[in-house]
Amino acid sequence: AQTVTQSQPEMSVQEAETVTLSCTYDTSESDYYLFWYKQPPSRQMILVIRQEAYKQQNATENRFSVNFQKAAKSFSLKISDSQLGDAAMYFCAYRSSSSGSARQLTFGSGTQLTVLP
Amino acid sequence: DSGVTQTPKHLITATGQRVTLRCSPRSGDLSVYWYQQSLDQGLQFLIQYYNGEERAKGNILERFSAQQFPDLHSELNLSSLELGDSALYFCASSVRDRADNEQFFGPGTRLTVL
Repeated sequence: AQTVTQSQPEMSVQEAETVTLSCTYDTSESDYYLFWYKQPPSRQMILVIRQEAYKQQNATENRFSVNFQKAAKSFSLKISDSQLGDAAMYFCAYRSSSSGSARQLTFGSGTQLTVLP
Repeated sequence: DSGVTQTPKHLITATGQRVTLRCSPRSGDLSVYWYQQSLDQGLQFLIQYYNGEERAKGNILERFSAQQFPDLHSELNLSSLELGDSALYFCASSVRDRADNEQFFGPGTRLTVL
């Protein structure tokens, strides 16, 4: 079974600064997707960014980018120019893309990000 | 707004009772997933339905059951409720059952068992 680990329960960053959230995962599969979801105080789950394991290029979405290290099974999220609206719980998630595998998301325990004005 | 709706938003009930949570997927989405978010267990997958049929099961208790109806809406039934069942229950939907299909989450139903 796949596991996802987020070792930083809480992080804080100064507004306009850069912060990196860490995530490691364990899998024996070669085909999969990795995701970062944001959960603000409203509790809505919002997809921030996704990475396909077969792509070597790191995904980028505006101020959000990832550092995907497949061999190390590491998937960190970098938030540049942090804004007050970035304050939220961030979840790293894994999804298999192997043939015959189930398609549910496996989540890490989350990192609570505080943005300081 | 993800296009996924869940009712009710909040539910308060007593131990031993039974409740039904409802999910309407985005228009055209065939796949529905149920997730539970609790302080103890974090976010975990419960069950998936695809076009009316059960596709995958996660850590779903025997006291819990689900189904997906011909109009593709889904219901999660929780019975013999215990205090530990208090959680936020999410429904998510995707177009098909492919790994590259994004899952869109509903706003969740917050269940409180007293």
